[in-house]
Amino acid sequence: EPEVTQTPSHQVTQMGQEVILRCVPISNHLYFYWYRQILGQKVEFLVSFYNNEISEKSEIFDDQFSVERPDGSNFTLKIRSTKLEDSAMYFCASRSAGANSPLHFGNGTRLTVT
Amino acid sequence: AQKVTQAQTEISVVEKEDVTLDCVYETRDTTYYLFWYKQPPSGELVFLIRRNSFDEQNEISGRYSWNFQKSTSSFNFTITASQVVDSAVYFCALSELTGTASKLTFGTGTRLQVTL
Repeated sequence: EPEVTQTPSHQVTQMGQEVILRCVPISNHLYFYWYRQILGQKVEFLVSFYNNEISEKSEIFDDQFSVERPDGSNFTLKIRSTKLEDSAMYFCASRSAGANSPLHFGNGTRLTVT
Repeated sequence: AQKVTQAQTEISVVEKEDVTLDCVYETRDTTYYLFWYKQPPSGELVFLIRRNSFDEQNEISGRYSWNFQKSTSSFNFTITASQVVDSAVYFCALSELTGTASKLTFGTGTRLQVTL
C-alpha cells in the first residue's frame, strides 16, 4: 500500500539554525499538510497546501516557517531560525481529491532543538 | 470554532476486557467528518476510520466498533476483547472543510494501556 514517507526520522539542531524537513506524499494525492505534535500533547495543524500554494495556515505557522513543493514528488517544511519551542514531532500528510478522503500521515520527523 | 474533547486522559485495562474511548465534538458546520487515529509507541499516526455527518450508522470492523450520535455530538470508539497490541494513544479528530482543503482538529488523545 502506498505511504507517505518522511526524512529524516530524527533531526537534532542548534537554536538559530535552519532545518528542512522532507516528505514524499502519496503519488496521486493533491492536498498536502504539515502537523506538529509537541511531546505528550495533541497534534496541531500547521499548514495545508494545494495547487502549489498555501491553502490555509495556523497561527503557529509564522514567518519562520515556509513550505515548498520543489518538484513533482517532494514536499518540504523549512524552519528558518529554530527555537527551543520548535522541538516536536512533525507529521506530513496527504490526501486525494474528495472532501471525505482521509489524511494519510507519514511516520513523522522528531525535531530536537538544543 | 471546532473543538474535540477526549475527557479520558489515560485508561488501563486487562487483556480481553472491552474498553470504550469517548469523543465529544463541537462544530458549526452542517457537513463534517470525524476520524479516529491510533498512535502506537513507535509514533506514527494510523488512520482507523472516518465518518461523515450524514451517516449515523454504527460501524464494526473486527474488534473495533464506533458509535456516532449526532444528538449528543459524540463519536465513541469501542475495542472488544482488548489485546496488548492495542496499547497506544488514540486520537479523535474533526475535519473542517475550508475552501479547497480540509484540516483536522485533533482531541488531546486517550492513552490506552492493555496489560496481561
